[in-house]
Amino acid sequence: AQSVSQHNHHVILSEAASLELGCNYSYGGTVNLFWYVQYPGQHLQLLLKYFSGDPLVKGIKGFEAEFIKSKFSFNLRKPSVQWSDTAEYFCAVNARTGRRALTFGSGTRLQVQP
Amino acid sequence: DTAVSQTPKYLVTQMGNDKSIKCEQNLGHDTMYWYKQDSKKFLKIMFSYNNKELIINETVPNRFSPKSPDKAHLNLHINSLELGDSAVYFCASSKELAGEAYNEQFFGPGTRLTVL
Repeated sequence: AQSVSQHNHHVILSEAASLELGCNYSYGGTVNLFWYVQYPGQHLQLLLKYFSGDPLVKGIKGFEAEFIKSKFSFNLRKPSVQWSDTAEYFCAVNARTGRRALTFGSGTRLQVQP
Repeated sequence: DTAVSQTPKYLVTQMGNDKSIKCEQNLGHDTMYWYKQDSKKFLKIMFSYNNKELIINETVPNRFSPKSPDKAHLNLHINSLELGDSAVYFCASSKELAGEAYNEQFFGPGTRLTVL
């Protein structure tokens, strides 16, 4: 069975600070990796995804993530956060074959103070 | 154009009632999902359909019954609603290529269900 751990439950940063959110997964097969963002009262939007190739992936709004296979990690980063980045961030994985459903981490609430 | 739409957006009802949530996608995807987000924001898969066929049915009470009349629609009917069913329900869809999942899932806006 797949599982996803997000270590930071609530992060508070000032504008312009750098961000790194941790994500580790557990699964024996090949996975796809995702970061979704949920702004207050809104639906989930894809920030970035990793299927294969370059382990450093760039997403929207200046976010990037690095897949480190040996550590089963897919951490999300942004060099300089903005107040508008205040949201809930979810790491998710699904199997490349077989079960397609996403397994989500518990989410990280990011609060950016102006 | 809305890619994945859900109706209603809000649903407030009494315990014991039966209600339905509808989902439609216009992306031409062949796989659709229902996820439940609880009060702590935790998201969990409930059901998944591929080409109208049920492929995932998590440990969800029998009171929940999905129905896919065609590839573009996946509805969720809930019987005998309970307080614990209060949550946000998200529909999602994705496209498979050659039997492998290489595409992300697109989510609908969610339906906030409140059971009183």
